[in-house]
Amino acid sequence: DAGITQSPRHKVTETGTPVTLRCHQTENHRYMYWYRQDPGHGLRLIHYSYGVKDTDKGEVSDGYSVSRSKTEDFLLTLESATSSQTSVYFCAISELAGGGTDTQYFGPGTRLTVL
Amino acid sequence: GENVEQHPSTLSVQEGDSAVIKCTYSDSASNYFPWYKQELGKRPQLIIDIRSNVGEKKDQRIAVTLNKTAKHFSLHITETQPEDSAVYFCAALYYGGATNKLIFGTGTLLAVQP
Repeated sequence: DAGITQSPRHKVTETGTPVTLRCHQTENHRYMYWYRQDPGHGLRLIHYSYGVKDTDKGEVSDGYSVSRSKTEDFLLTLESATSSQTSVYFCAISELAGGGTDTQYFGPGTRLTVL
Repeated sequence: GENVEQHPSTLSVQEGDSAVIKCTYSDSASNYFPWYKQELGKRPQLIIDIRSNVGEKKDQRIAVTLNKTAKHFSLHITETQPEDSAVYFCAALYYGGATNKLIFGTGTLLAVQP
């Protein structure tokens, strides 16, 4: 597995509380992504980063924000968690973008439950 | 908009039989199509990918075919084994924004019966 870790691996929180998930990589890859995985929906892109302090929205970005202050860390924040954000969250990294391949390698995932 | 459809959603085969999973995509500019395997409770892992300049790629018991005219691609697993049981996701690369993005299908749960 590529050098990607996620923390925490499991979290239970209450509606309305802020939550931050962390993705850490040791591969020095430029591109990082946050996905959520829900039954019947596959993997859906929340936000992505194409460099330090460079981020953009994916297809399901409402209610989420991200930050990347260092190459190796990409943080996902739920400002005020809702039950609809109960999901498994995966971080992914890739090196190449713009033509050619965009092979993405996934972290181990974080299971978040919002009560 | 950008979309990838995947069928079937579940597939049950007998050990030793073949399994085929099909995907269609909407953006004719897509030129990279990976397949991921996800075992229960694990992360998705790349098993094979294909670029648009080839029609077929094979790696031991798995193969992927691509028909760019029809905008569909398929995963073929031959001589299935119980350890092939997992969820399989197809994806297509879309261009736009600051980087290319993968759009995933909704997944196929493959069960190989011993």
